[in-house]
Amino acid sequence: DAGITQSPRYKITETGRQVTLMCHQTWSHSYMFWYRQDLGHGLRLIYYSAAADITDKGEVPDGYVVSRSKTENFPLTLESATRSQTSVYFCASSEGQGVSGELFFGEGSRLTVL
Amino acid sequence: QQQVKQSPQSLIVQKGGIPIINCAYENTAFDYFPWYQQFPGKGPALLIAIRPDVSEKKEGRFTISFNKSAKQFSLHIMDSQPGDSATYFCAARRNFNKFYFGSGTKLNVKP
Repeated sequence: DAGITQSPRYKITETGRQVTLMCHQTWSHSYMFWYRQDLGHGLRLIYYSAAADITDKGEVPDGYVVSRSKTENFPLTLESATRSQTSVYFCASSEGQGVSGELFFGEGSRLTVL
Repeated sequence: QQQVKQSPQSLIVQKGGIPIINCAYENTAFDYFPWYQQFPGKGPALLIAIRPDVSEKKEGRFTISFNKSAKQFSLHIMDSQPGDSATYFCAARRNFNKFYFGSGTKLNVKP
């Protein structure tokens, strides 16, 4: 059972380059999320999606673009990477408006922008 | 402005001790308060959660205490073990899908 997988796990890029982080889930969960994790800030929501073709901004969306053409995939694109986007990025999914609302996280993608 | 404030940032206890991590919130629209545990190189995983109509929830050695009037909740780990060494995040949810996380507490349980 694959669950939720992220790729790449590690990425080094340069300022101004475009980067895409991939996220794939095998549970058919309705909701998918992108968080970034930075020391002292915990996890901050970048974007989320309630279903295919439905996306919405989180707390820190500037500089990021998402799409969700298929339920199982939710890629995150940094159109022109900046050093402040150096972070660990986590994709998560949940069944949606259920009782538990549990978030299931991937193992993270560590991005360094030079 | 952080919606959920967590303290302390780090905590060191001896094996068998009872570490306590505290969180506070302001928004009364939050309806679900989970705690997540994260080991190095891994994603966070749900540890235990509570709803605001309950004052305490216990699962094994982990207990959440919830004070609705004070808008505070805390995680207690009974008989802590070195294997509990991890980073712990509290969170609060509103609108079914918007989770706000605390800044995290790095726990080190010494043998």
